[in-house]
Amino acid sequence: AQSVTQLDSHVSVSEGTPVLLRCNYSSSYSPSLFWYVQHPNKGLQLLLKYTSAATLVKGINGFEAEFKKSETSFHLTKPSAHMSDAAEYFCVVSISGGYNKLIFGAGTRLAVHP
Amino acid sequence: SQTIHQWPATLVQPVGSPLSLECTVEGTSNPNLYWYRQAAGRGLQLLFYSVGIGQISSEVPQNLSASRPQDRQFILSSKKLLLSDSGFYLCAWSVPARGHEKLFFGSGTQLSVL
Repeated sequence: AQSVTQLDSHVSVSEGTPVLLRCNYSSSYSPSLFWYVQHPNKGLQLLLKYTSAATLVKGINGFEAEFKKSETSFHLTKPSAHMSDAAEYFCVVSISGGYNKLIFGAGTRLAVHP
Repeated sequence: SQTIHQWPATLVQPVGSPLSLECTVEGTSNPNLYWYRQAAGRGLQLLFYSVGIGQISSEVPQNLSASRPQDRQFILSSKKLLLSDSGFYLCAWSVPARGHEKLFFGSGTQLSVL
């Protein structure tokens, strides 16, 4: 069965420093993995997705994530945090088969300090 | 372009009262439609999905029901709300396709049951 574990419920960084949001997954076959961001009072937005192509995936707003099968990880990174990056981030596994079922992690709240 | 409308944005309801949340999609035909719920401190959970008018599938047993009276309308309902129904509800749609199609989310409804 598929599952997603986000290892940190809260991450706090200073503006201009790197961001690392950790995610581990469990899947019985090759998964599709996503990172979604949820800004306050806004809907979810897709940051990036991995679907068995290149293992290093580049997304919007300077974010990227690397799929590591040996570690069953899909950590989200950004070299330099911006104040506007403060939001809730969800790591997601997708199950295909006639409809698009997503399994969401519990989320990581990213705080960015001046 | 496609848009998704979800309302109301916030709702406070007493225990035992009925519920109706509405979601409509514009600019696409025969979308897959979804209702997700985000409980405090937890990731999103898929409640219902629909691949066509009158076709509703439930993912988890609960106090809620869903209906799809028109192709681009998806309604989440309850006859009697429970305290545990409090949470953030998101409607989403996707274009049916093989593989892992992208989900587009509405802006959500914050439901507080008191």
